[in-house]
Amino acid sequence: QSVLTQPPSVSGAPGQRVTISCTGSSSNIGAGYDVHWYQQLPGTAPKLLIYANNNRPSGVPDRFSGSKSGTSASLAITGLQAEDEADYYCQSYDSSLRVRVFGGGTELTVL
Amino acid sequence: EVQLVESGGGLVQPGGSLRLSCVVSGFTFNTYSMNWVRQAPGKGLEWVSYISSGSGTIYYADSVKGRFTVSRDNAKNSMYLQMNSLRDEDAAVYFCARDRGSTTFFDFWGQGALVIVSS
Repeated sequence: QSVLTQPPSVSGAPGQRVTISCTGSSSNIGAGYDVHWYQQLPGTAPKLLIYANNNRPSGVPDRFSGSKSGTSASLAITGLQAEDEADYYCQSYDSSLRVRVFGGGTELTVL
Repeated sequence: EVQLVESGGGLVQPGGSLRLSCVVSGFTFNTYSMNWVRQAPGKGLEWVSYISSGSGTIYYADSVKGRFTVSRDNAKNSMYLQMNSLRDEDAAVYFCARDRGSTTFFDFWGQGALVIVSS
């Protein structure tokens, strides 16, 4: 059971927009800690996709965006492409556990 | 170019020991904190351990506390994870990851080292 809750899977057709939710609690996202997102392509290491809620590292397309509100955060992907098929993980810090925590991951399928 | 390369993974019996290494290049290693993050087969990511740039601050996940020891050698641009008393549930791919603040994110990751715990 992950501290941050994500849907196990989402899907969309090429060109469409999809969102992935990440729900936490008052000891992590709700406490004001930033949310970060990682993309893990099949058989590869995670890659930082969004940091501090809505910032993209250099090289990440602006099709990817993040937002945060209350005890939740979301990752949005517009103009879906086949290469976006991957697992996506949210991550934050939990002040009760005093560790960085991850969501369980969401598998994105491009139909 | 930032690179992190893990090594030392392999097959070990329950109760056994293994030492992972992470060698980095492309950045000034002694100015960054580092982490180990693991991923069990078919499962999500789990933070394992943190070590500050000068080794003065070290944290462990409760699941490995007392069994795993993280260390680093800044002269060799290397970080290590000594894993003792290994259990079935420690089987995973272990990634080293560069830290951007002890409550924040991991900006670069290695390709991972596979640890298999089986008799």
